[in-house]
Amino acid sequence: DAGVTQSPTHLIKTRGQHVTLRCSPISGHKSVSWYQQVLGQGPQFIFQYYEKEERGRGNFPDRFSARQFPNYSSELNVNALLLGDSALYLCASSLILGGNPSNQPQHFGDGTRLSIL
Amino acid sequence: RKEVEQDPGPFNVPEGATVAFNCTYSNSASQSFFWYRQDCRKEPKLLMSVYSSGNEDGRFTAQLNRASQYISLLIRDSKLSDSATYLCVVSHAGGTSYGKLTFGQGTILTVHP
Repeated sequence: DAGVTQSPTHLIKTRGQHVTLRCSPISGHKSVSWYQQVLGQGPQFIFQYYEKEERGRGNFPDRFSARQFPNYSSELNVNALLLGDSALYLCASSLILGGNPSNQPQHFGDGTRLSIL
Repeated sequence: RKEVEQDPGPFNVPEGATVAFNCTYSNSASQSFFWYRQDCRKEPKLLMSVYSSGNEDGRFTAQLNRASQYISLLIRDSKLSDSATYLCVVSHAGGTSYGKLTFGQGTILTVHP
């Protein structure tokens, strides 16, 4: 079975440009989350989507936006790129079951490595 | 104060050693707990969930103390392949969120021959 797939794997942009990152969850997973990981730190939560609705947002500026499509894939958009946006962007998917859905672990894709020049 | 704190290490141990990682979290409403492993320039991979009763998976043992808000991971008989960054992770479902993961900084482990 395919895991979480992300594209592209690497991307180089310049300041002020915008970028769209894509993610396909594991088949059957309806929840997708996005994380940013800068070198030497753990991943930081950006967004969570479930059933095409935003369910959670981390402490990121409005330049960051996302959406989820009917097939549960997702896009992360970042506008007006800054040097500090250089990072590994990770997408994770999870099952949402009854009871305590937060018990379900999240499974990560390989990430998109974004470099801003 | 960071929500999840770990000793960043690095820990350098010989093959066969036993090594323990500790982690504390500040949000008492945290509901689920995990250890993830991340190899250099790779994505985090789930190592194990952590339960209040403690749980073991082969050479790995995880413990959770909710009263102290403390999580631990013990690795016995270390292998060269255990070299990685170990991430302590807590999950909290609040509002409409179905479980935002909060990661510690990660603890770097190097196992040498």
